Order: sequence, then structure tokens, then C-alpha cells
Amino acid sequence: SQTIHQWPATLVQPVGSPLSLECTVEGTSNPNLYWYRQAAGRGLQLLFYSVGIGQISSEVPQNLSASRPQDRQFILSSKKLLLSDSGFYLCAWSVAISGNTIYFGEGSWLTVV
Amino acid sequence: KQEVTQIPAALSVPEGENLVLNCSFTDSAIYNLQWFRQDPGKGLTSLLLIQSSQREQTSGRLNASLDKSSGRSTLYIAASQPGDSATYLCAVDRGSTLGRLYFGRGTQLTVWP
Repeated sequence: SQTIHQWPATLVQPVGSPLSLECTVEGTSNPNLYWYRQAAGRGLQLLFYSVGIGQISSEVPQNLSASRPQDRQFILSSKKLLLSDSGFYLCAWSVAISGNTIYFGEGSWLTVV
Repeated sequence: KQEVTQIPAALSVPEGENLVLNCSFTDSAIYNLQWFRQDPGKGLTSLLLIQSSQREQTSGRLNASLDKSSGRSTLYIAASQPGDSATYLCAVDRGSTLGRLYFGRGTQLTVWP
């Protein structure tokens, strides 16, 4: 069966520090991968998605970047965090076929202080 | 731009009641609509996916309907239980690459014994 792992689960980072959130998927090949953010008082927002290794699409301009160094690995990064980067970050995957559902990881809570 | 609205924002009911959660979207050109459940501080679990050609989907005590032309979906929960307490999120798929979802802000449901 397929599983998705996301870490760290919680982190508190000072403003201006770097960030790296990692996500890996097991049990499937060539998945579509996604990073979503859930900020306080706001709905879930798609940040990045990837349909293959090295292929990254950004949905909104922001202080973050994403990379996909391996087929089932997706990384969310920042060189210098802002207070507004605080939120709940969710990695997700789906099979690259229309009509199938999307599966989410357990999420990472980021607090920038 | 697609806007997804969920009503009510919060709902508190006694155990055993039948519930209706509403979702509306502004752009009817969707591929799929999904209902998710989110427990506090956790990731999302997919409950039901309705493809644009379908009118409804059922899973156990859950039934979701879709009226694409009017931009509305309804999640019906029969015989509610305390374990149903969670936030329920509606999301529409805006393109052929499944997973590029627009989310509503959710309905926070509390079912008390």
C-alpha cells in the first residue's frame, strides 16, 4: 500500500533562518506531488506541484521554493523565513490519472518567531 | 478565479441528528469535487470524490451530491456520531492534473453525546 511521510512534524524557527521540509511517498511510482499551506484564518492554498523529477510549478509568488530531486521525494525550502510563512504545511500525492483522489501527509506545523 | 464557500462555518449538534453541509463554487468548469475530513492538527482524509459527470457518491453514512450547473455540492451525514466531530473541507479540481485543488475554509462539526 502507498504511504506518505512528512517531517518534521513541528518546528519553531526565527525570522531570517532557512527552512527545509521533506516529504516522501512509498508504494507508487511517478506520482504527482504537491505542497499546500493552511494559514491561520485561511483555507488550504496550493503552493507548488510537480509532475516529475525536476519539474516544479509554482501557484503563488512567495518566499518559498520547492524541489524534487527523486521520483518520490519533494522538498519545500526557504533561504530566509518571514513571519508570514507561519502555518500548517501539507504534502500530498496523487496518481497522474484524472479521476483519482489525492492523499495528504500528516502535516508540518511551522511557527516563525 | 475559483472561489469556494462553505456554509455553515461551524455546527454543533447532538448525537443521532442528520446533517447537511453546503459547498458552493463560482466557476462551474470543474473536473472533480472532493470532500475531506480534517481532525485537529492532522492531515486531510478524502471522504468522497464526485467526478463532473456524476451527480452523487455514497460511502456508508455519507452522501455527497453535485449540481455542477448551479455550482453547489452538499454533504449529507446520517445518524451523526461523536466520532464524526472534525472539520469538513470541500475542494474543486480546476484542471486535468488532479490535485490542483481550490479549497473552502471548512465546516467545523461538533457532535456531542
